[in-house]
Amino acid sequence: DGGITQSPKYLFRKEGQNVTLSCEQNLNHDAMYWYRQDPGQGLRLIYYSQIVNDFQKGDIAEGYSVSREKKESFPLTVTSAQKNPTAFYLCASRKGGQGPYEQYFGPGTRLTVT
Amino acid sequence: GNSVTQMEGPVTLSEEAFLTINCTYTATGYPSLFWYVQYPGEGLQLLLKATKADDKGSNKGFEATYRKETTSFHLEKGSVQVSDSAVYFCALRDTGANSKLTFGKGITLSVRP
Repeated sequence: DGGITQSPKYLFRKEGQNVTLSCEQNLNHDAMYWYRQDPGQGLRLIYYSQIVNDFQKGDIAEGYSVSREKKESFPLTVTSAQKNPTAFYLCASRKGGQGPYEQYFGPGTRLTVT
Repeated sequence: GNSVTQMEGPVTLSEEAFLTINCTYTATGYPSLFWYVQYPGEGLQLLLKATKADDKGSNKGFEATYRKETTSFHLEKGSVQVSDSAVYFCALRDTGANSKLTFGKGITLSVRP
C-alpha cells in the first residue's frame, strides 16, 4: 500500500533540545511539505521541497530546518531556536508539475516540549 | 496574496440535518479549490476538489460548487451522519509553478445522534 508515514505519533522533548521528525513516502511523489497545526489556526506551511536536494522556506520557517537527500524522505528538525514548538506536525506529498494534483497527508506527529 | 476564509465554528448539528460550511477565497489567478477533512487524531484527507469555475466537486454525499463570481466554494451535505464529525478545511492552489496550498482555519463539525 502506498502512502506517507510519520514517526513517531507522539514525541516528548525537553526545552533546549533539537528533535527530528520523520516523514517517508512511497508514492513516488516529487514534492513534499511540512505543516504545523495549532488549534484555531489551520495549517501553516513550514518548508517545502519540489525536487530532491532542493527546498524552500514556507510561511513560518524560523526555528526549523529540513533536508531532502532522497526522493522518499523529508525529515524536519525542530531546533531549540523555535520559540513555541509544541504542536501537531503534518507531512504531505504531491505529484510534481502544475496540474491540480492533491496533496496526500501523513497521520501527523504530536510534539510536546516541556 | 492568496487567502481562504471559513465561517466561524464550531458547528453542532443533529443527525440527518442539512449542512452548509461557507468558504470564500482571494486569489490572484485562477485557483483550484479543495475541501479536506481531518478525523480526530489523524492527518488530512481530500474530500473533494474543483479546478475551474462552475465545476462541482462531490464525494460521500458532500458537494461544493466553484463560484467565481462570488469567489466561494461552500460545502454542503443534505443529511449528515455522526461519522461526519470532523474538522473541515477549505484550501486553494493558485496557478503557476508554485504548488503550495493555502488553507482556511478549519471548522469543527459535531453531529449528535
